[in-house]
Amino acid sequence: GAVVSQHPSWVICKSGTSVKIECRSLDFQATTMFWYRQFPKQSLMLMATSNEGSKATYEQGVEKDKFLINHASLTLSTLTVTSAHPEDSSFYICSARAPTLYPSYEQYFGPGTRLTVT
Amino acid sequence: GESVGLHLPTLSVQEGDNSIINCAYSNSASDYFIWYKQESGKGPQFIIDIRSNMDKRQGQRVTVLLNKTVKHLSLQIAATQPGDSAVYFCAEIRYSGSARQLTFGSGTQLTVLP
Repeated sequence: GAVVSQHPSWVICKSGTSVKIECRSLDFQATTMFWYRQFPKQSLMLMATSNEGSKATYEQGVEKDKFLINHASLTLSTLTVTSAHPEDSSFYICSARAPTLYPSYEQYFGPGTRLTVT
Repeated sequence: GESVGLHLPTLSVQEGDNSIINCAYSNSASDYFIWYKQESGKGPQFIIDIRSNMDKRQGQRVTVLLNKTVKHLSLQIAATQPGDSAVYFCAEIRYSGSARQLTFGSGTQLTVLP
């Protein structure tokens, strides 16, 4: 149980285009979803927190107009990287939290999406 | 600033030996600590957690030790196997405003030698 999927698993796009990444909780309802970015040989850095039906809360230094997050349902959150540039190339990982599962603080992570901007 | 960090960026061990991965944290307000395993190209995988009012917790082949006096956390892996090769992150959970926030440490690359 508590499986989180991401789609696509990898994507290559040209500079200036936008790309959407989906995060789904497959067998539970996620009231809160998180988006992380991870550069090679570095740790996961939280980008934003989204609660279903409300605006996402972005971490300091993360451009909300560039990284659009939508959490329209209890099982789906999307991250859209707008006007992508090579420096946006990274590994994007989502996670989901479900208060009904034990322990309630635990986050269940997706497999990640490798974005390469050429 | 407040952060969770690791002492050793890389660790190589012989197959069958025990591994010890260390982590230092600076925020005494954290109430949970978690160890994650991340294999190349994959998302983090939960290994074990420990509450701040405990000093030891054991799982299958893994033990987490928490020393609040020196703000130190360690993960011990018994009889290390090739499948244990991965990056290991410690993470802390603390309240940020009204919500619990998860903060990752810098990670240790564990390599198991045949």
